[in-house]
Amino acid sequence: DIVLTQSPALAVSLGQRATISCKTNQNVDYYGNSYMHWYQQKPGQQPKLLIYLASNLASGIPARFSGRGSGTDFTLTIDPVEADDTATYYCQQSRNLLTFGSGTKLEIK
Amino acid sequence: EVQLQESGPGLVKPSQSLSLTCSVTGYSITSNYWGWIRKFPGNKMEWMGYISYSGSTSYNPSLKSRISITRDTSKNQFFLQLNSVTTEDTATYYCARLENSGVMDAWGQGASVTVSS
Repeated sequence: DIVLTQSPALAVSLGQRATISCKTNQNVDYYGNSYMHWYQQKPGQQPKLLIYLASNLASGIPARFSGRGSGTDFTLTIDPVEADDTATYYCQQSRNLLTFGSGTKLEIK
Repeated sequence: EVQLQESGPGLVKPSQSLSLTCSVTGYSITSNYWGWIRKFPGNKMEWMGYISYSGSTSYNPSLKSRISITRDTSKNQFFLQLNSVTTEDTATYYCARLENSGVMDAWGQGASVTVSS
């Protein structure tokens, strides 16, 4: 299984930059694509796709959100953070079956 | 716009089967892939399996002996059956649309299922 490791929590001041990391125990690159995706989930809501294939912004997602990385190291950046960004953020790989990270809970100070 | 909606019992007894329906509107399930994902108390997310546009299936190996995903294209619905449930299967169950890349770009609102006697 491909295991994804995320830090449990992050606190960032309003208007600053939030960087959320996701590390995998195996390479998730294949033929020029990195099979890593990012989701936002707020309490009581379903997950929402933010970033697909490591760096592509999903439809309707503001440009404050960005993703980068390859191989085994990936980051989701929110810059600047807004109060509404309070949520849990999950990474997910699809290189070999489908697995999720444990989620990073973002607090806005 | 595609919309997905889960439905089914919110309470299942241990050793019984859990059955959920995902009703899809605005998009045909004869395109793309359609999956089930669950979120446990404590926030762990687990992909359970999917059914493809052609009806083929893929399952999480950890569930392979207990899970079945089927569909009814005439109703544009797909289904989850999980057999021999235990309290460990208590979770919120989501259905989702998957692209070829494995990204889940549309989700249902989720169905909370408790396994308890």
